Amino acid sequence: GAGVSQSPSNKVTEKGKDVELRCDPISGHTALYWYRQSLGQGLEFLIYFQGNSAPDKSGLPSDRFSAERTGGSVSTLTIQRTQQEDSAVYLCASSLLAGGVTDTQYFGPGTRLTVL
Amino acid sequence: AQSVTQLGSHVSVSEGALVLLRCNYSSSVPPYLFWYVQYPNQGLQLLLKYTSAATLVKGINGFEAEFKKSETSFHLTKPSAHMSDAAEYFCAVSYNAGNMLTFGGGTRLMVKP
Repeated sequence: GAGVSQSPSNKVTEKGKDVELRCDPISGHTALYWYRQSLGQGLEFLIYFQGNSAPDKSGLPSDRFSAERTGGSVSTLTIQRTQQEDSAVYLCASSLLAGGVTDTQYFGPGTRLTVL
Repeated sequence: AQSVTQLGSHVSVSEGALVLLRCNYSSSVPPYLFWYVQYPNQGLQLLLKYTSAATLVKGINGFEAEFKKSETSFHLTKPSAHMSDAAEYFCAVSYNAGNMLTFGGGTRLMVKP
């Protein structure tokens, strides 16, 4: 079956612009995660959604970052007023059930964001 | 706070040689541990995971890892490296019901012919 897909694969933007990154999880997966991979910070957790529960936003680096998940499926990560330090690869992952600490997270290929 | 340390950001081995990638975690409670591999321009793929069922865990592509509580380690090994093993490897830990992963800094494995 189809894996996790993300779009766009690459995004170049100018400092101060807003960007939206999209994630389509594996069908039927109730948990969705966003991570960021950057040279300076490595792989960091950003936010996680589980079903209809309120998302865990504890990893978001600033209030310029937000995310939503519509209909329990597709998720959009929005970065407002982008800064150069936001340049990174943004990875999305989904798993069948959160709450199961042994659940495997399946990762998408990522969106490479470059802020000029 | 939980943390994961991977010793050696770059490891180089010859084809056919033993692969050993080191991972240590800090924890006051039993963790769940994972190894992921990332090939160039691709997402992360799970190699194996420790879920407390057995301390020696076998994964895909001939990799295995052993959980050693006394050493707080979860090192990844493979008896004989292949050229196709060249990639970046990440150790990760999860403690909570949300299963958010905390990753180590990664180790880039290079395999020489």
